[in-house]
Amino acid sequence: AQKITQTQPGMFVQEKEAVTLDCTYDTSDPSYGLFWYKQPSSGEMIFLIYQGSYDQQNATEGRYSLNFQKARKSANLVISASQLGDSAMYFCAMREGGRYGNEKLTFGTGTRLTIIP
Amino acid sequence: EAGVTQFPSHSVIEKGQTVTLRCDPISGHDNLYWYRRVMGKEIKFLLHFVKESKQDESGMPNNRFLAERTGGTYSTLKVQPAELEDSGVYFCASSPRDMETDTQYFGPGTRLTVL
Repeated sequence: AQKITQTQPGMFVQEKEAVTLDCTYDTSDPSYGLFWYKQPSSGEMIFLIYQGSYDQQNATEGRYSLNFQKARKSANLVISASQLGDSAMYFCAMREGGRYGNEKLTFGTGTRLTIIP
Repeated sequence: EAGVTQFPSHSVIEKGQTVTLRCDPISGHDNLYWYRRVMGKEIKFLLHFVKESKQDESGMPNNRFLAERTGGTYSTLKVQPAELEDSGVYFCASSPRDMETDTQYFGPGTRLTVL
């Protein structure tokens, strides 16, 4: 079974609109972390936002927020007021276990977001 | 503060040749990771160093891949001999070993093409 599922291979969104990128995960470990990374056409992987499984509130970083629904095992990324520079590939990733445990990240297949002027 | 750097950015080699990829982590980061993205597939974990020790190498595909991190600073990933299926983008990431954060910061990747 896929541990990280991103069901949207591609999305087109009008500039200035909000966009939600879906991510569902599968783990039996009570302690885990969820990450979103952005990969623009230049290729580098840019860290956007992190949510810990025990965090009580949804994570926010500027225009990025993570809609964490633990019971549904979803960790959707919300980008408010999208900009042309948001066009990129977006990856959802999970670290299972607490820190100093199994620290490798498991990635989804990514969503290619295109912002339309 | 300099980010994670990787060299080369691109490498094109023929099947059977040897290639060595290098990663310089963020200064002070004890954790160093290698990942690989084969065309059209998800990014997959290869291995994890804590300083100079291999903490987890469960993702290494076979014994043609050799990773080292002498002195606990930069790391190299050697592929010998390279095969066609080794083509892809190889990412390195690093993180500090403390309780405040476990975010992994990625380098720009090395695109490897095996012909």
